[in-house]
Amino acid sequence: KNEVEQSPQNLTAQEGEFITINCSYSVGISALHWLQQHPGGGIVSLFMLSSGKKKHGRLIATINIQEKHSSLHITASHPRDSAVYICAVTSYNTDKLIFGTGTRLQVFP
Amino acid sequence: NAGVTQTPKFQVLKTGQSMTLQCAQDMNHNSMYWYRQDPGMGLRLIYYSASEGTTDKGEVPNGYNVSRLNKREFSLRLESAAPSQTSVYFCASSARGNTEAFFGQGTRLTVV
Repeated sequence: KNEVEQSPQNLTAQEGEFITINCSYSVGISALHWLQQHPGGGIVSLFMLSSGKKKHGRLIATINIQEKHSSLHITASHPRDSAVYICAVTSYNTDKLIFGTGTRLQVFP
Repeated sequence: NAGVTQTPKFQVLKTGQSMTLQCAQDMNHNSMYWYRQDPGMGLRLIYYSASEGTTDKGEVPNGYNVSRLNKREFSLRLESAAPSQTSVYFCASSARGNTEAFFGQGTRLTVV
């Protein structure tokens, strides 16, 4: 079992829909990261969380430390949101980043 | 700011050839990482460096060596490339583990 699990693996949406991507982890963490990777592109950091909730534009990230679960929400989705979204955690014990396998999102007009 | 600069962007090698992937960051970060990304497997840690002069094996270190000669630069060397090392490689850095991580643009390596 992977230490960081994401769901779903693939997601298709119509423009304007509300999208949720989930991340569960099984290790002790000091931080959780949500990252975005466009096709053929680099990886950019969207959020880093250690508790609560963060919002940036149409993106919202939440984390529940007790349940070891985080969600990334996209409101009013747009075709330019099409990308792979990756959840990663910083292990409290080793201080290293551990990655989920990513969620491929496609938003159609 | 350049952030994390990784070179080259693309490389094709023949089996048995050697090469070095270069990574440099200008953010005065202590932690630097090398990952490989393969379809369906997410990013897997090859090597990690917590500070200048120190390196640590990650999940998939076999066939690779690294060098952290100074705070800015962290290089990854393939001494004798194998087709199983065909992958996309990413360098990353952070101030320390629980701070935001920054990534290079990636190197698409094909070993034939």
